[in-house]
Amino acid sequence: SAVISQKPSRDICQRGTSLTIQCQVDSQVTMMFWYRQQPGQSLTLIATANQGSEATYESGFVIDKFPISRPNLTFSTLTVSNMSPEDSSIYLCSVDGTSGSRETQYFGPGTRLLVL
Amino acid sequence: GNSVTQMEGPVTLSEEAFLTINCTYTATGYPSLFWYVQYPGEGLQLLLKATKADDKGSNKGFEATYRKETTSFHLEKGSVQVSDSAVYFCALSKAAGNKLTFGGGTRVLVKP
Repeated sequence: SAVISQKPSRDICQRGTSLTIQCQVDSQVTMMFWYRQQPGQSLTLIATANQGSEATYESGFVIDKFPISRPNLTFSTLTVSNMSPEDSSIYLCSVDGTSGSRETQYFGPGTRLLVL
Repeated sequence: GNSVTQMEGPVTLSEEAFLTINCTYTATGYPSLFWYVQYPGEGLQLLLKATKADDKGSNKGFEATYRKETTSFHLEKGSVQVSDSAVYFCALSKAAGNKLTFGGGTRVLVKP
């Protein structure tokens, strides 16, 4: 499976500011996904990021709030814009598996965000 | 739409006890099914998976069998350890490259 890293691992931010989270993979992958895990909750998909095209957002998530970049096959960023305390969550990126196992997703360690 | 329902926690067990976490799903066709584990302060790790009916996924002493007739994928382990304390998520995917749909998660606490 791919090795996935995220930066920062955690941050404390003031409301109204923005934070960009980076996701780096050690091999080229087709699909990258961004999930949110609110405190004590399950994971919800924010958007799917394909290289060379606009990200596809799930219902309830918009590009102005969560802009995503996917400049190449090993890297993506998620920005949480104009933050409020309700944005306090763990943000996780995931990637699809290699050929023959593409239905499987592998996750990064997550970014723990606290908004004051 | 697709959905996953798993038993609510927390589940508290003694070491060497038998663990079962129920998971049922709603989806058309034949989704792939997964169990992920989240240890305290960490991201999600794939525990096991099954991609077709009657497949059994296994890893680290955990097992789950894909039951199409009951739309279930229950997780079992015969003898848990304190190190198995974590949150366990059942999930499904309809196809390669599709999103994962997660259950609500089940917190398991194993006491010495």
